[in-house]
Amino acid sequence: QVQLVQSGAEVKKPGASVLLSCEASGYTFTNYFMHWVRQAPGQGLEWMGVINPSGGSTSYAQGFQGRVSMTRDTSTNTVHLQLSSLRSEDTAVYYCARADGNSWSSAIDFWGQGTLVTVSS
Amino acid sequence: DIQMTQSPSSLSASVGDRVSFTCRASQDIRNDLDWYQQRPGKAPKRLIFGASSLQSGVPSRFSGSGSGTEFSLTISSLQPEDVATYYCLQHNNYPRTFGQGTKVEIK
Repeated sequence: QVQLVQSGAEVKKPGASVLLSCEASGYTFTNYFMHWVRQAPGQGLEWMGVINPSGGSTSYAQGFQGRVSMTRDTSTNTVHLQLSSLRSEDTAVYYCARADGNSWSSAIDFWGQGTLVTVSS
Repeated sequence: DIQMTQSPSSLSASVGDRVSFTCRASQDIRNDLDWYQQRPGKAPKRLIFGASSLQSGVPSRFSGSGSGTEFSLTISSLQPEDVATYYCLQHNNYPRTFGQGTKVEIK
């Protein structure tokens, strides 16, 4: 069965960077795009970007341009999210979420368990 | 960016009630609209894809309808385990955008 296992909670200081991981299993890793979505405490869902694990191409939300990087490691079936210049507003649960296909038009069908990132001095 | 507006933001109903809520897109998104359920403290779970197709394993009391700019999610008989926040997501264009959510509670 499809599993997305995310790395553990992080506590970071303002200005620092964080690297999150999401290990996929139960399906062919390179056949499905992977999205990242975050949720601030008590707030709604915010789309951050998407990566094509096959070739590594990405598309990011405008609000994260210059601060975000999504990469993949096909040897370990893992996608990574790096977010830099952290500020308190980046405190959130970060989800990786698998697309339901390998095209840019595909939707999201399965979510990881989430990783809490706390940014505090 | 395509704006997604959900209404109401919250509702309270009794067990067994039929409840519906809506999602409106700021431009035509055909049927590129999915619905997700997020129970407290959990990751979202897809209920409906393509505006009206039921995700495998999801109870048949959930149904979706609509196309273009107006969409709705209906729970035909509300159950205690349906307490959650429901989000719509458009996948017609980038950036992907979510509605702000509808919180469903039991009266």
